[in-house]
Amino acid sequence: QKEVEQNSGPLSVPEGAIASLNCTYSDRGSQSFFWYRQYSGKSPELIMFIYSNGDKEDGRFTAQLNKASQYVSLLIRDSQPSDSATYLCAVNPNDMRFGAGTRLTVKP
Amino acid sequence: DAGVIQSPRHEVTEMGQEVTLRCKPISGHNSLFWYRQTMMRGLELLIYFNNNVPIDDSGMPEDRFSAKMPNASFSTLKIQPSEPRDSAVYFCASSLPSPLGGYTFGSGTRLTVV
Repeated sequence: QKEVEQNSGPLSVPEGAIASLNCTYSDRGSQSFFWYRQYSGKSPELIMFIYSNGDKEDGRFTAQLNKASQYVSLLIRDSQPSDSATYLCAVNPNDMRFGAGTRLTVKP
Repeated sequence: DAGVIQSPRHEVTEMGQEVTLRCKPISGHNSLFWYRQTMMRGLELLIYFNNNVPIDDSGMPEDRFSAKMPNASFSTLKIQPSEPRDSAVYFCASSLPSPLGGYTFGSGTRLTVV
């Protein structure tokens, strides 16, 4: 079992829709959870982090964490074409382990 | 702050040659990480340092790879001899001393071994 698994995608949504990205992790000792966005040819950029069970909202982005289920998700509301990128889930028990990423395309 | 600085941005080398990638972390960040990214394997952690000391190098693929951090502001990743399968984008990242902190990535070095 991989340490961090993401829905493989690719995911395509129309502009204005909600994009839902999911991630599961194997290490119950993980304390912090991150979502990175990576545009093609660029480096990963941190967009959200969450430490506690529940939801955390930041503008159009909502991160959700369920430690009992070892599940973390990212919702993007009112998706825009500029949101088209690969989204990487990362989990930090002691060092950062990344999922394979989900490629999101938002179609105008 | 200029962020995490990596050099070179691109490197093309012939198989068998030595390659050295360089990284300058953000000032005040005491953790430094080297990652490799390929389409097939995604983003893989190679090695990380805390306070200039290597903590976990289990991700280093083989003895051809070595990394050093002689001081808090500089690290190198060396491949000797290089092979075509080493072709990838190599990222350096740094963070504050907390498991709760996110990482800041450099722009990466795109390595092509021909």
